[in-house]
Amino acid sequence: QVQLQESGPGLVKPSQTLSLTCTVSGGSISSGSYYWSWIRQPAGKRLEWIGRIYSSGSTNYNPSLMSRVTVSVDTSKNQFSLKLSSVTAADTAVYYCARVRRTDSWLSDGMDVWGQGTTVTVSS
Amino acid sequence: DIQMTQSPSSLSAFVGDRVTITCRASQSISNFLGWYQQRPGKAPKLLIYAASSLQSGVPSRFRGSGSGTDFTLTISSLQPEDFATYYCQQGYSTPYTFGQGTKVEIK
Repeated sequence: QVQLQESGPGLVKPSQTLSLTCTVSGGSISSGSYYWSWIRQPAGKRLEWIGRIYSSGSTNYNPSLMSRVTVSVDTSKNQFSLKLSSVTAADTAVYYCARVRRTDSWLSDGMDVWGQGTTVTVSS
Repeated sequence: DIQMTQSPSSLSAFVGDRVTITCRASQSISNFLGWYQQRPGKAPKLLIYAASSLQSGVPSRFRGSGSGTDFTLTISSLQPEDFATYYCQQGYSTPYTFGQGTKVEIK
Protein backbone atom coordinates (compact mmCIF):
# COMPACT_ATOMS: atom_id res chain seq x y z
CA GLN A 1 0.00 0.00 0.00
CA VAL A 2 1.03 3.61 -0.48
CA GLN A 3 3.17 5.10 2.27
CA LEU A 4 4.45 8.63 2.78
CA GLN A 5 7.54 9.63 4.75
CA GLU A 6 8.60 13.15 5.67
CA SER A 7 12.27 14.06 6.02
CA GLY A 8 14.24 17.19 6.81
CA PRO A 9 15.86 19.17 9.62
CA GLY A 10 14.11 19.21 12.97
CA LEU A 11 15.58 22.56 13.98
CA VAL A 12 15.58 25.74 11.91
CA LYS A 13 16.86 29.16 12.94
CA PRO A 14 14.57 32.20 12.81
CA SER A 15 14.53 34.01 9.43
CA GLN A 16 15.89 30.92 7.65
CA THR A 17 14.08 28.58 5.25
CA LEU A 18 12.38 25.40 6.38
CA SER A 19 12.80 22.58 3.83
CA LEU A 20 11.01 19.24 3.98
CA THR A 21 10.65 16.35 1.54
CA CYS A 22 7.92 13.73 1.34
CA THR A 23 8.85 10.42 -0.27
CA VAL A 24 6.03 8.36 -1.72
CA SER A 25 6.43 4.57 -1.79
CA GLY A 26 4.12 1.82 -2.98
CA GLY A 27 2.52 4.00 -5.64
CA SER A 28 3.24 6.68 -8.21
CA ILE A 29 3.11 10.38 -7.45
CA SER A 30 2.16 10.81 -11.11
CA SER A 31 -1.25 9.21 -10.54
CA GLY A 32 -3.83 11.65 -11.80
CA SER A 33 -6.30 10.65 -9.11
CA TYR A 34 -4.63 12.58 -6.32
CA TYR A 35 -3.23 15.87 -5.15
CA TRP A 36 -0.32 15.92 -2.72
CA SER A 37 -0.47 18.24 0.28
CA TRP A 38 1.41 19.62 3.25
CA ILE A 39 -0.42 20.19 6.54
CA ARG A 40 0.94 21.37 9.88
CA GLN A 41 -0.20 21.26 13.48
CA PRO A 42 1.25 23.47 16.24
CA ALA A 43 1.19 21.78 19.63
CA GLY A 44 -2.35 21.58 21.00
CA LYS A 45 -3.88 23.33 17.99
CA ARG A 46 -5.96 22.41 14.99
CA LEU A 47 -4.58 21.19 11.69
CA GLU A 48 -3.63 23.88 9.16
CA TRP A 49 -3.44 23.17 5.43
CA ILE A 50 -0.33 24.68 3.83
CA GLY A 51 -0.61 23.85 0.14
CA ARG A 52 -1.02 21.20 -2.53
CA ILE A 53 0.54 20.13 -5.81
CA TYR A 54 -0.71 18.05 -8.70
CA SER A 55 1.54 15.76 -10.72
CA SER A 56 1.57 18.36 -13.52
CA GLY A 57 3.25 20.79 -11.13
CA SER A 58 0.16 22.95 -10.63
CA THR A 59 0.02 24.36 -7.09
CA ASN A 60 -2.39 26.01 -4.66
CA TYR A 61 -1.37 27.60 -1.37
CA ASN A 62 -2.99 28.85 1.81
CA PRO A 63 -3.23 32.65 1.40
CA SER A 64 -2.03 33.06 4.99
CA LEU A 65 1.33 31.55 3.98
CA MET A 66 1.40 32.14 0.23
CA SER A 67 4.13 34.77 0.27
CA ARG A 68 6.53 32.36 1.99
CA VAL A 69 5.61 28.91 0.64
CA THR A 70 6.78 26.87 -2.31
CA VAL A 71 5.68 23.27 -2.98
CA SER A 72 7.41 21.36 -5.76
CA VAL A 73 7.37 17.84 -7.17
CA ASP A 74 10.08 15.54 -8.49
CA THR A 75 8.32 12.74 -10.32
CA SER A 76 11.60 10.97 -11.11
CA LYS A 77 12.22 10.51 -7.38
CA ASN A 78 8.54 10.09 -6.46
CA GLN A 79 8.87 12.97 -4.02
CA PHE A 80 7.33 16.34 -3.32
CA SER A 81 8.82 19.09 -1.20
CA LEU A 82 7.97 22.08 0.96
CA LYS A 83 9.95 25.27 1.40
CA LEU A 84 8.82 27.88 3.93
CA SER A 85 10.93 31.00 4.07
CA SER A 86 11.52 33.63 6.77
CA VAL A 87 10.40 31.31 9.56
CA THR A 88 9.56 32.47 13.08
CA ALA A 89 8.65 30.67 16.28
CA ALA A 90 5.04 30.64 15.06
CA ASP A 91 6.08 28.12 12.41
CA THR A 92 7.07 25.56 15.05
CA ALA A 93 4.78 22.57 14.47
CA VAL A 94 4.46 18.97 13.42
CA TYR A 95 4.48 18.92 9.62
CA TYR A 96 2.60 16.21 7.73
CA CYS A 97 2.47 15.29 4.08
CA ALA A 98 -0.70 13.68 2.78
CA ARG A 99 -2.31 12.22 -0.33
CA VAL A 100 -5.52 14.04 -1.23
CA ARG A 101 -8.36 12.31 -3.05
CA ARG A 102 -9.31 14.19 -6.24
CA THR A 103 -12.85 13.84 -7.55
CA ASP A 104 -13.98 14.09 -11.17
CA SER A 105 -14.93 17.71 -10.48
CA TRP A 106 -11.35 18.43 -9.36
CA LEU A 107 -12.57 18.96 -5.78
CA SER A 108 -11.47 16.80 -2.84
CA ASP A 109 -13.41 14.60 -0.45
CA GLY A 110 -10.68 13.45 1.90
CA MET A 111 -6.98 12.91 2.59
CA ASP A 112 -6.53 9.17 2.66
CA VAL A 113 -2.82 8.58 3.28
CA TRP A 114 -0.66 10.52 5.73
CA GLY A 115 2.98 10.51 6.66
CA GLN A 116 3.87 9.97 10.31
CA GLY A 117 4.74 13.65 10.71
CA THR A 118 7.97 15.43 11.53
CA THR A 119 8.47 17.97 14.29
CA VAL A 120 10.10 21.23 13.23
CA THR A 121 11.22 23.69 15.88
CA VAL A 122 12.19 27.25 15.01
CA SER A 123 14.75 28.47 17.51
CA SER A 124 18.16 30.10 17.60
CA ASP B 1 -12.01 30.85 3.59
CA ILE B 2 -14.68 28.34 4.58
CA GLN B 3 -14.91 28.09 8.37
CA MET B 4 -15.53 24.65 9.91
CA THR B 5 -17.02 24.57 13.42
CA GLN B 6 -17.32 21.38 15.44
CA SER B 7 -19.40 20.69 18.52
CA PRO B 8 -18.84 19.78 21.19
CA SER B 9 -15.14 20.61 21.68
CA SER B 10 -14.88 17.70 24.10
CA LEU B 11 -17.05 14.99 25.55
CA SER B 12 -16.84 12.19 28.08
CA ALA B 13 -18.48 8.85 27.40
CA PHE B 14 -18.53 5.24 28.55
CA VAL B 15 -17.41 2.27 26.51
CA GLY B 16 -20.50 1.12 24.61
CA ASP B 17 -22.08 4.57 24.41
CA ARG B 18 -23.38 6.07 21.19
CA VAL B 19 -21.48 9.28 20.40
CA THR B 20 -22.40 12.03 17.96
CA ILE B 21 -20.13 14.86 16.78
CA THR B 22 -21.38 17.66 14.56
CA CYS B 23 -19.56 19.86 12.06
CA ARG B 24 -20.95 22.99 10.43
CA ALA B 25 -19.49 24.73 7.38
CA SER B 26 -19.79 28.50 6.92
CA GLN B 27 -21.12 27.91 3.38
CA SER B 28 -22.39 24.97 1.42
CA ILE B 29 -19.72 22.38 0.61
CA SER B 30 -22.03 19.73 -0.89
CA ASN B 31 -20.51 16.43 0.32
CA PHE B 32 -16.84 17.38 0.03
CA LEU B 33 -16.05 16.53 3.63
CA GLY B 34 -13.78 14.13 5.44
CA TRP B 35 -13.71 12.96 9.06
CA TYR B 36 -10.43 12.04 10.77
CA GLN B 37 -9.35 10.37 14.00
CA GLN B 38 -6.12 11.48 15.64
CA ARG B 39 -4.61 9.66 18.59
CA PRO B 40 -1.95 11.44 20.70
CA GLY B 41 1.37 11.68 18.91
CA LYS B 42 0.00 10.11 15.73
CA ALA B 43 -1.00 11.33 12.30
CA PRO B 44 -4.68 11.83 11.48
CA LYS B 45 -6.44 8.82 10.00
CA LEU B 46 -9.24 9.15 7.46
CA LEU B 47 -12.45 7.53 8.71
CA ILE B 48 -15.10 8.91 6.35
CA TYR B 49 -14.75 10.52 2.92
CA ALA B 50 -17.36 12.25 0.78
CA ALA B 51 -19.32 12.93 3.99
CA SER B 52 -20.75 9.42 4.29
CA SER B 53 -18.45 6.85 2.66
CA LEU B 54 -16.56 4.55 5.01
CA GLN B 55 -12.83 4.42 4.32
CA SER B 56 -11.48 0.93 3.69
CA GLY B 57 -10.51 -0.87 6.89
CA VAL B 58 -12.49 1.43 9.20
CA PRO B 59 -14.97 -0.34 11.50
CA SER B 60 -18.62 -0.08 10.57
CA ARG B 61 -19.50 1.50 13.92
CA PHE B 62 -18.34 4.80 12.39
CA ARG B 63 -20.99 6.52 10.29
CA GLY B 64 -20.99 9.89 8.56
CA SER B 65 -24.00 11.82 7.32
CA GLY B 66 -25.02 15.24 6.08
CA SER B 67 -24.70 17.49 3.06
CA GLY B 68 -24.53 21.20 2.40
CA THR B 69 -23.48 22.87 5.65
CA ASP B 70 -24.35 20.39 8.41
CA PHE B 71 -22.59 17.09 8.99
CA THR B 72 -22.50 14.41 11.67
CA LEU B 73 -20.07 11.68 12.72
CA THR B 74 -21.66 8.94 14.80
CA ILE B 75 -19.87 6.16 16.67
CA SER B 76 -22.56 3.57 17.38
CA SER B 77 -20.84 1.77 20.25
CA LEU B 78 -17.72 3.45 21.63
CA GLN B 79 -14.71 1.16 22.00
CA PRO B 80 -11.58 1.73 24.12
CA GLU B 81 -9.49 2.42 21.00
CA ASP B 82 -11.90 5.18 19.91
CA PHE B 83 -10.79 7.60 22.60
CA ALA B 84 -9.07 10.23 20.50
CA THR B 85 -9.60 13.62 18.87
CA TYR B 86 -11.82 13.85 15.80
CA TYR B 87 -11.61 16.47 13.05
CA CYS B 88 -13.77 17.37 10.07
CA GLN B 89 -12.22 18.92 6.94
CA GLN B 90 -13.68 20.49 3.83
CA GLY B 91 -12.23 19.84 0.38
CA TYR B 92 -14.70 22.02 -1.55
CA SER B 93 -12.33 24.92 -2.01
CA THR B 94 -8.79 25.92 -1.16
CA PRO B 95 -7.57 26.70 1.38
CA TYR B 96 -8.75 23.40 2.78
CA THR B 97 -9.86 23.96 6.37
CA PHE B 98 -10.33 21.78 9.44
CA GLY B 99 -12.62 21.98 12.42
CA GLN B 100 -11.11 22.74 15.81
CA GLY B 101 -11.44 19.11 16.88
CA THR B 102 -13.58 17.13 19.32
CA LYS B 103 -11.73 15.28 22.06
CA VAL B 104 -13.49 12.09 23.15
CA GLU B 105 -12.47 11.02 26.66
CA ILE B 106 -13.28 8.12 28.94
CA LYS B 107 -15.98 8.73 31.56
